[in-house]
Amino acid sequence: EAQVTQNPRYLITVTGKKLTVTCSQNMNHEYMSWYRQDPGLGLRQIYYSMNVEVTDKGDVPEGYKVSRKEKRNFPLILESPSPNQTSLYFCASSSRDRGTEAFFGQGTRLTVV
Amino acid sequence: DAKTTQPPSMDCAEGRAANLPCNHSTISGNEYVYWYRQIHSQGPQYIIHGLKNNETNEMASLIITEDRKSSTLILPHATLRDTAVYYCIVRASYDKVIFGPGTSLSVIP
Repeated sequence: EAQVTQNPRYLITVTGKKLTVTCSQNMNHEYMSWYRQDPGLGLRQIYYSMNVEVTDKGDVPEGYKVSRKEKRNFPLILESPSPNQTSLYFCASSSRDRGTEAFFGQGTRLTVV
Repeated sequence: DAKTTQPPSMDCAEGRAANLPCNHSTISGNEYVYWYRQIHSQGPQYIIHGLKNNETNEMASLIITEDRKSSTLILPHATLRDTAVYYCIVRASYDKVIFGPGTSLSVIP
């Protein structure tokens, strides 16, 4: 089954404690990205990657890092989480082919206290 | 900013067709129209997409006007489980998915 898998689904952490949210896709997609969703602000892109070792900033990259060492994995790293990074996070992947849809993971709800 | 405009909310009676409109007057020739929905706080779920022609799949139908400046998503027999936020998105390949506020559809028993 084609899917994007995020882990963990829920996470409560303390300010300043480094964390990583993993994302993995099994569709051999080139393009992967991270979004955060906040009430009233909708879904906003954090970082994206067009292929292995190619990453770039989205609309709200501050406080986040990513890496793309393998095609299937695109982890999101918060080096020093702060309460304003409390949010619902989604990973997505898609093919470079025209007219193909993006697949989204089920989300990670992060709370930073 | 989102390239699409949708009504913020709609109601539909259970069992009836739900017709969700979307305006995308600045769509480019290489951009497709995609529809996704998000049930509660789950990940956005792909529904359907099209370029110029009308499309139908097991979930819905997509009607695109001839000038491609607007489209309508049709859920032929809405059920309570179709209550969700529906997003209309225009996107070429490799582009980020830009989400607007979407339409909150409530299916009423």
